[in-house]
Amino acid sequence: DIQMTQSPSTLSASVGDRVTITCRASQSISSWLAWYQQKPGKAPNLLIYKASTLESGVPSRFSGSGSGTEFTLTISSLQPDDFATYYCQQYNSYSEGFTFGPGTKVDIK
Amino acid sequence: QLQLRESGPGLVKPSETLSLTCTVSGGSISSSSHFWGWIRQPPGKGLEWIGSIYYGGSTYYNPSLKSRVTISVDTSKNQFSLDLSSVTAADTAVYHCARRPSGSGFDYWGQGTLVTVSS
Repeated sequence: DIQMTQSPSTLSASVGDRVTITCRASQSISSWLAWYQQKPGKAPNLLIYKASTLESGVPSRFSGSGSGTEFTLTISSLQPDDFATYYCQQYNSYSEGFTFGPGTKVDIK
Repeated sequence: QLQLRESGPGLVKPSETLSLTCTVSGGSISSSSHFWGWIRQPPGKGLEWIGSIYYGGSTYYNPSLKSRVTISVDTSKNQFSLDLSSVTAADTAVYHCARRPSGSGFDYWGQGTLVTVSS
């Protein structure tokens, strides 16, 4: 199985801050990584796929980078609507399974 | 606008089979560019991919659940379904169905349905 880790697990930030979340895979997944935002009681919302491609309709303050085993999600200027939990997910191989990271909660400082 | 909606019992007894259906509207499940999947989230915890299916019937399962999971598709009804056998309390979760374009993450999700395993 490919294991995914995220850091930090919780992040306290203020509106306007630049925020970076890191996701690491236990083995190389090339660029087959997605990022999601989830708010309480709601389904996850796809933000980024293929490590750095912004999903249609997602604000440009969100960006993704990385390849291989280390990836980052950056929010350039945190907005009130961005306080949520963020998950990474690898989709490198069906035989290995599609694994989600444990999540990073972004809350108000 | 594509919509997905989960349906099925909200309460299942231990050792029985959990069965859910996802109805797709606003688009065809028989798209050559998309896979259809099930993802679950235990209360207060993270997301777990259960498995995916292609309209032609090819299935892909989470190795940790593979022995208990069956996903099937009914293109005539624009639906796909999940069966999870021998459930325990650990299978209590919100179950989501979702669409995954080839090469992408899951871009459309159902709202989710809470399934509780309890006697």
